[in-house]
Amino acid sequence: DQQVKQNSPSLSVQEGRISILNCDYTNSMFDYFLWYKKYPAEGPTFLISISSIKDKNEDGRFTVFLNKSAKHLSLHIVPSQPGDSAVYFCAASAGVSSGTYKYIFGTGTRLKVLA
Amino acid sequence: NAGVTQTPKFQVLKTGQSMTLQCAQDMNHEYMSWYRQDPGMGLRLIHYSVGAGITDQGEVPNGYNVSRSTTEDFPLRLLSAAPSQTSVYFCASSKDRGLGEQYFGPGTRLTVT
Repeated sequence: DQQVKQNSPSLSVQEGRISILNCDYTNSMFDYFLWYKKYPAEGPTFLISISSIKDKNEDGRFTVFLNKSAKHLSLHIVPSQPGDSAVYFCAASAGVSSGTYKYIFGTGTRLKVLA
Repeated sequence: NAGVTQTPKFQVLKTGQSMTLQCAQDMNHEYMSWYRQDPGMGLRLIHYSVGAGITDQGEVPNGYNVSRSTTEDFPLRLLSAAPSQTSVYFCASSKDRGLGEQYFGPGTRLTVT
C-alpha cells in the first residue's frame, strides 16, 4: 500500500514557466514533508520541507504548499530553469516511537525543463 | 567534510553470495538509514538506526542485516544475494532522529545474476 503517491511519472515545462509537482498521501499522522531532487548517478539532495502545522513554505524559486484536508502537497518552481531537470521525490515523516521518525518516499516525478 | 560516503559504487554478485555495502558519515549524525531505489518504486526504507547499538526495520528488511557499532558507520549486509536484490542502494544520515532533512550518499549499484 503506497502511503505517499506521485501520480505523474513525468512533466515537461518550458524554461521560465512554472513547474508544479504534486504528491498525495494517505496517513494523517505524517508530521513533516520534504522534497528531494535527484540527478542521474547521484544521491538525492534535500530541496525544501514543510511541517504539518503549516500550509506554505517558500525558499527562493521553490514553494511547497500543504493541504491537510485533501492530504495533498505540491512543489512550485518559478521560474523553471534547465538545471531543474531532475527526478523529484516527495517524502513524509511519521513518528515511530521514542521520538524517532522514519520516512516514506513517493515514486518520483521526472521534470524536464525545455530551453 | 566528506558527508556520506558509500563503497563500492558498483558490484556484481552471483546468486547466493554475500557481501557488505559500506556507509560512513562524518557529520556526527545520530540517525542513519538504508534505502533501495527500483524503477517505478521510489525509495524504500530497508533499515534505520537512531544511534550506536540501536537499529530497526523499515519497509523492506528481508534479506538484509545491519548493525551500528559506531556513530560513523552503518554497514548493510546481504546474507545470500538474490536477483530481486538488484537495485541501487542509498545510505543517508540525519541529525534529527528522522525528522528533518537527510543527507544521502552517492549510491551503490548492485546487480545479482
